[in-house]
Amino acid sequence: GQNIDQPTEMTATEGAIVQINCTYQTSGFNGLFWYQQHAGEAPTFLSYNVLDGLEEKGRFSSFLSRSKGYSYLLLKELQMKDSASYLCAVMDSNYQLIWGAGTKLIIKP
Amino acid sequence: ETGVTQTPRHLVMGMTNKKSLKCEQHLGHNAMYWYKQSAKKPLELMFVYSLEERVENNSVPSRFSPECPNSSHLFLHLHTLQPEDSALYLCASSQELLADSFEQYFGPGTRLTVT
Repeated sequence: GQNIDQPTEMTATEGAIVQINCTYQTSGFNGLFWYQQHAGEAPTFLSYNVLDGLEEKGRFSSFLSRSKGYSYLLLKELQMKDSASYLCAVMDSNYQLIWGAGTKLIIKP
Repeated sequence: ETGVTQTPRHLVMGMTNKKSLKCEQHLGHNAMYWYKQSAKKPLELMFVYSLEERVENNSVPSRFSPECPNSSHLFLHLHTLQPEDSALYLCASSQELLADSFEQYFGPGTRLTVT
């Protein structure tokens, strides 16, 4: 079966760096997405990776290793507003999106 | 504000009621989706529409009935629901049917409670 694994919850300190991991087993691969979802709000797109390597976008970076079935989202200079759930999703060979259950990130002062 | 609106934001209904959820996208997208989000579970894709044609129905019980009258509007009609149907129902749209890098734009969701 197809599966996406990510930690359920993580805690980090304001101003620090945190890495949220995502591992996947899917039927084929057509890209990996990261979304951010604040409590009670819509998920919003953060990044898309289809090739191996690191994509940087401001304080957020996303890394992909297709051979390892692994991605991470790196958040730098954490701010209180970064407290949210982070959803990993992989597009399989049929262009179906397979979603992880999300990682709830708690930022402490 | 993502350009996708959903109403109502909260809904409480009994198991014998009939209600409808509404989604509207102002982005000129051609594809629209209904998802169910339960606590600590992955998003579950329920229905997919492309250019007002249903292209996917992921084994969703018949008590959920979608309707897409035009490319900007999507409805989810609910009847004789069960308590386990209580969840956040999210609507999303994308430029085209999911392919390559097309990101989805989500609405804020309808929090449904079935009593």
